[in-house]
Amino acid sequence: DSGVTQTPKHLITATGQRVTLRCSPRSGDLSVYWYQQSLDQGLQFLIQYYNGEERAKGNILERFSAQQFPDLHSELNLSSLELGDSALYFCASSEGDSPSYEQYFGPGTRLTVT
Amino acid sequence: AQSVSQHNHHVILSEAASLELGCNYSYGGTVNLFWYVQYPGQHLQLLLKYFSGDPLVKGIKGFEAEFIKSKFSFNLRKPSVQWSDTAEYFCAVIRTGANNLFFGTGTRLTVIP
Repeated sequence: DSGVTQTPKHLITATGQRVTLRCSPRSGDLSVYWYQQSLDQGLQFLIQYYNGEERAKGNILERFSAQQFPDLHSELNLSSLELGDSALYFCASSEGDSPSYEQYFGPGTRLTVT
Repeated sequence: AQSVSQHNHHVILSEAASLELGCNYSYGGTVNLFWYVQYPGQHLQLLLKYFSGDPLVKGIKGFEAEFIKSKFSFNLRKPSVQWSDTAEYFCAVIRTGANNLFFGTGTRLTVIP
Protein backbone atom coordinates (compact mmCIF):
# COMPACT_ATOMS: atom_id res chain seq x y z
CA ASP A 1 0.00 0.00 0.00
CA SER A 2 1.54 3.27 -1.19
CA GLY A 3 -0.67 5.49 0.94
CA VAL A 4 -2.20 7.10 -2.15
CA THR A 5 -5.88 6.42 -2.61
CA GLN A 6 -7.98 6.78 -5.72
CA THR A 7 -11.72 6.55 -6.18
CA PRO A 8 -13.57 5.04 -7.84
CA LYS A 9 -11.69 1.86 -8.78
CA HIS A 10 -13.80 1.32 -11.87
CA LEU A 11 -16.01 3.62 -13.87
CA ILE A 12 -18.15 2.76 -16.86
CA THR A 13 -19.82 5.58 -18.73
CA ALA A 14 -21.09 6.53 -22.16
CA THR A 15 -19.57 8.74 -24.81
CA GLY A 16 -20.25 12.43 -24.35
CA GLN A 17 -20.49 12.16 -20.58
CA ARG A 18 -18.37 13.79 -17.90
CA VAL A 19 -16.66 12.06 -14.98
CA THR A 20 -14.56 13.07 -12.00
CA LEU A 21 -11.72 10.98 -10.65
CA ARG A 22 -10.46 11.60 -7.16
CA CYS A 23 -7.04 11.21 -5.61
CA SER A 24 -5.89 11.56 -2.03
CA PRO A 25 -2.13 11.88 -1.67
CA ARG A 26 0.02 10.37 1.05
CA SER A 27 -0.04 12.27 4.29
CA GLY A 28 2.43 15.15 4.05
CA ASP A 29 2.85 15.04 0.27
CA LEU A 30 2.24 18.34 -1.47
CA SER A 31 2.55 17.25 -5.11
CA VAL A 32 -0.03 15.30 -7.05
CA TYR A 33 0.59 13.94 -10.53
CA TRP A 34 -1.95 12.45 -12.94
CA TYR A 35 -1.08 9.83 -15.56
CA GLN A 36 -3.04 8.01 -18.23
CA GLN A 37 -2.19 4.45 -19.18
CA SER A 38 -3.71 3.10 -22.37
CA LEU A 39 -2.83 0.17 -24.59
CA ASP A 40 -1.82 2.28 -27.55
CA GLN A 41 -0.16 5.25 -25.80
CA GLY A 42 1.41 3.58 -22.79
CA LEU A 43 1.83 5.55 -19.57
CA GLN A 44 1.62 9.29 -20.18
CA PHE A 45 2.04 12.20 -17.81
CA LEU A 46 -0.99 14.49 -17.81
CA ILE A 47 -0.55 17.20 -15.19
CA GLN A 48 1.06 18.04 -11.86
CA TYR A 49 -0.15 20.17 -8.98
CA TYR A 50 1.93 21.35 -6.09
CA ASN A 51 0.30 22.79 -2.99
CA GLY A 52 -2.79 23.82 -4.91
CA GLU A 53 -1.09 25.29 -7.96
CA GLU A 54 -0.58 23.80 -11.38
CA ARG A 55 3.12 23.08 -11.77
CA ALA A 56 3.57 21.13 -15.00
CA LYS A 57 1.48 20.03 -17.92
CA GLY A 58 1.96 17.04 -20.17
CA ASN A 59 -0.25 15.50 -22.83
CA ILE A 60 -3.51 16.60 -21.28
CA LEU A 61 -6.42 17.22 -23.63
CA GLU A 62 -8.42 20.44 -23.40
CA ARG A 63 -11.48 18.33 -22.50
CA PHE A 64 -9.63 17.29 -19.34
CA SER A 65 -8.98 19.49 -16.35
CA ALA A 66 -7.70 19.02 -12.85
CA GLN A 67 -7.44 20.84 -9.59
CA GLN A 68 -5.92 20.41 -6.18
CA PHE A 69 -7.91 21.48 -3.16
CA PRO A 70 -6.72 23.09 0.10
CA ASP A 71 -6.74 19.69 1.81
CA LEU A 72 -4.38 18.58 -1.02
CA HIS A 73 -6.65 16.01 -2.58
CA SER A 74 -6.99 16.31 -6.31
CA GLU A 75 -9.67 15.72 -8.89
CA LEU A 76 -9.31 14.99 -12.58
CA ASN A 77 -12.33 15.98 -14.64
CA LEU A 78 -12.85 14.34 -18.01
CA SER A 79 -15.61 15.73 -20.21
CA SER A 80 -17.15 15.01 -23.62
CA LEU A 81 -15.80 11.51 -23.24
CA GLU A 82 -14.76 9.54 -26.29
CA LEU A 83 -14.13 5.83 -26.72
CA GLY A 84 -10.40 6.55 -26.87
CA ASP A 85 -10.46 7.95 -23.35
CA SER A 86 -10.90 4.43 -21.99
CA ALA A 87 -7.77 3.86 -19.94
CA LEU A 88 -6.30 3.41 -16.50
CA TYR A 89 -5.80 6.75 -14.77
CA PHE A 90 -3.10 6.86 -12.11
CA CYS A 91 -2.44 9.46 -9.52
CA ALA A 92 0.92 9.79 -7.78
CA SER A 93 2.08 11.99 -4.96
CA SER A 94 5.42 13.21 -3.72
CA GLU A 95 6.72 15.36 -0.93
CA GLY A 96 8.20 18.10 -3.10
CA ASP A 97 7.67 19.55 -6.53
CA SER A 98 10.74 18.24 -8.32
CA PRO A 99 11.38 14.77 -9.72
CA SER A 100 14.13 14.21 -7.18
CA TYR A 101 11.34 13.33 -4.79
CA GLU A 102 10.05 9.80 -5.19
CA GLN A 103 6.56 9.55 -6.62
CA TYR A 104 4.19 7.14 -4.89
CA PHE A 105 1.48 5.76 -7.13
CA GLY A 106 -2.11 4.96 -6.33
CA PRO A 107 -3.93 1.83 -7.53
CA GLY A 108 -5.56 3.65 -10.43
CA THR A 109 -9.08 4.19 -11.73
CA ARG A 110 -10.11 2.10 -14.70
CA LEU A 111 -12.36 4.14 -16.99
CA THR A 112 -14.39 2.40 -19.67
CA VAL A 113 -16.24 4.57 -22.16
CA THR A 114 -18.92 2.74 -24.14
CA ALA B 1 10.45 15.09 -28.96
CA GLN B 2 11.70 13.18 -25.99
CA SER B 3 10.95 9.47 -26.03
CA VAL B 4 11.81 6.31 -24.16
CA SER B 5 12.18 2.93 -25.84
CA GLN B 6 11.88 -0.44 -24.23
CA HIS B 7 12.51 -2.93 -26.97
CA ASN B 8 11.59 -6.07 -25.06
CA HIS B 9 7.83 -6.30 -24.76
CA HIS B 10 7.67 -9.67 -23.03
CA VAL B 11 10.56 -11.59 -21.51
CA ILE B 12 10.21 -15.13 -20.20
CA LEU B 13 12.94 -16.55 -17.98
CA SER B 14 13.44 -19.50 -15.71
CA GLU B 15 14.25 -18.92 -12.06
CA ALA B 16 17.94 -18.21 -11.41
CA ALA B 17 18.46 -16.89 -14.94
CA SER B 18 20.08 -13.50 -15.35
CA LEU B 19 17.99 -10.56 -16.48
CA GLU B 20 18.74 -7.52 -18.58
CA LEU B 21 15.97 -5.21 -19.78
CA GLY B 22 16.85 -2.55 -22.27
CA CYS B 23 15.94 1.12 -22.02
CA ASN B 24 17.01 3.85 -24.43
CA TYR B 25 16.00 7.48 -24.44
CA SER B 26 16.20 10.12 -27.11
CA TYR B 27 16.92 13.35 -25.26
CA GLY B 28 20.43 14.74 -25.65
CA GLY B 29 20.65 16.89 -22.55
CA THR B 30 21.02 16.03 -18.89
CA VAL B 31 18.44 13.56 -17.69
CA ASN B 32 17.26 11.79 -14.59
CA LEU B 33 16.40 8.12 -15.05
CA PHE B 34 14.09 5.74 -13.25
CA TRP B 35 12.92 2.16 -13.27
CA TYR B 36 9.48 1.37 -11.89
CA VAL B 37 7.91 -2.03 -11.32
CA GLN B 38 4.26 -3.01 -11.26
CA TYR B 39 3.56 -6.40 -9.67
CA PRO B 40 0.30 -8.10 -10.69
CA GLY B 41 -2.64 -6.28 -9.17
CA GLN B 42 -0.45 -3.71 -7.44
CA HIS B 43 0.53 -0.09 -7.92
CA LEU B 44 3.69 1.18 -9.58
CA GLN B 45 6.71 1.22 -7.29
CA LEU B 46 10.12 2.80 -7.70
CA LEU B 47 12.91 0.24 -8.16
CA LEU B 48 15.81 2.63 -8.56
CA LYS B 49 16.78 6.01 -9.90
CA TYR B 50 19.81 7.79 -11.31
CA PHE B 51 20.42 11.51 -10.89
CA SER B 52 24.18 11.90 -10.90
CA GLY B 53 27.38 10.29 -9.68
CA ASP B 54 28.17 6.60 -10.02
CA PRO B 55 26.46 5.42 -13.22
CA LEU B 56 25.88 2.00 -11.68
CA VAL B 57 22.84 2.31 -9.46
CA LYS B 58 21.68 -0.27 -6.95
CA GLY B 59 17.99 -0.59 -6.25
CA ILE B 60 15.68 -2.69 -4.16
CA LYS B 61 15.33 -6.48 -4.40
CA GLY B 62 18.76 -6.99 -5.95
CA PHE B 63 18.14 -4.92 -9.06
CA GLU B 64 20.72 -2.58 -10.54
CA ALA B 65 20.93 -0.37 -13.60
CA GLU B 66 23.77 1.19 -15.49
CA PHE B 67 23.60 4.60 -17.11
CA ILE B 68 25.70 4.75 -20.28
CA LYS B 69 25.53 8.30 -21.49
CA SER B 70 27.20 7.64 -24.84
CA LYS B 71 24.57 5.02 -25.66
CA PHE B 72 21.62 6.93 -24.16
CA SER B 73 20.84 3.76 -22.25
CA PHE B 74 19.78 2.78 -18.75
CA ASN B 75 19.46 -0.99 -18.76
CA LEU B 76 18.07 -2.87 -15.79
CA ARG B 77 19.83 -6.00 -14.55
CA LYS B 78 19.47 -8.70 -11.98
CA PRO B 79 21.93 -11.61 -11.75
CA SER B 80 19.40 -14.22 -10.67
CA VAL B 81 15.64 -13.74 -11.02
CA GLN B 82 12.98 -15.24 -8.79
CA TRP B 83 9.38 -16.20 -9.50
CA SER B 84 8.34 -13.20 -7.40
CA ASP B 85 10.01 -10.86 -9.93
CA THR B 86 7.17 -11.57 -12.36
CA ALA B 87 5.86 -8.08 -13.08
CA GLU B 88 5.81 -5.26 -15.58
CA TYR B 89 8.86 -3.01 -15.63
CA PHE B 90 8.81 0.59 -16.80
CA CYS B 91 11.76 2.81 -17.61
CA ALA B 92 11.17 6.55 -17.22
CA VAL B 93 13.16 9.64 -18.09
CA ILE B 94 12.89 13.28 -17.15
CA ARG B 95 14.95 16.21 -18.30
CA THR B 96 16.86 17.76 -15.42
CA GLY B 97 14.80 20.64 -14.08
CA ALA B 98 11.58 19.55 -15.78
CA ASN B 99 8.59 17.85 -14.23
CA ASN B 100 7.35 15.77 -17.17
CA LEU B 101 8.20 12.12 -16.58
CA PHE B 102 8.28 10.15 -19.85
CA PHE B 103 7.64 6.43 -19.53
CA GLY B 104 8.58 3.61 -21.84
CA THR B 105 5.89 1.19 -22.96
CA GLY B 106 6.94 -1.36 -20.37
CA THR B 107 8.39 -4.85 -20.44
CA ARG B 108 6.42 -7.74 -19.04
CA LEU B 109 8.66 -10.22 -17.25
CA THR B 110 7.42 -13.74 -16.59
CA VAL B 111 9.61 -15.94 -14.41
CA ILE B 112 8.91 -19.65 -14.60
CA PRO B 113 9.56 -21.61 -11.41
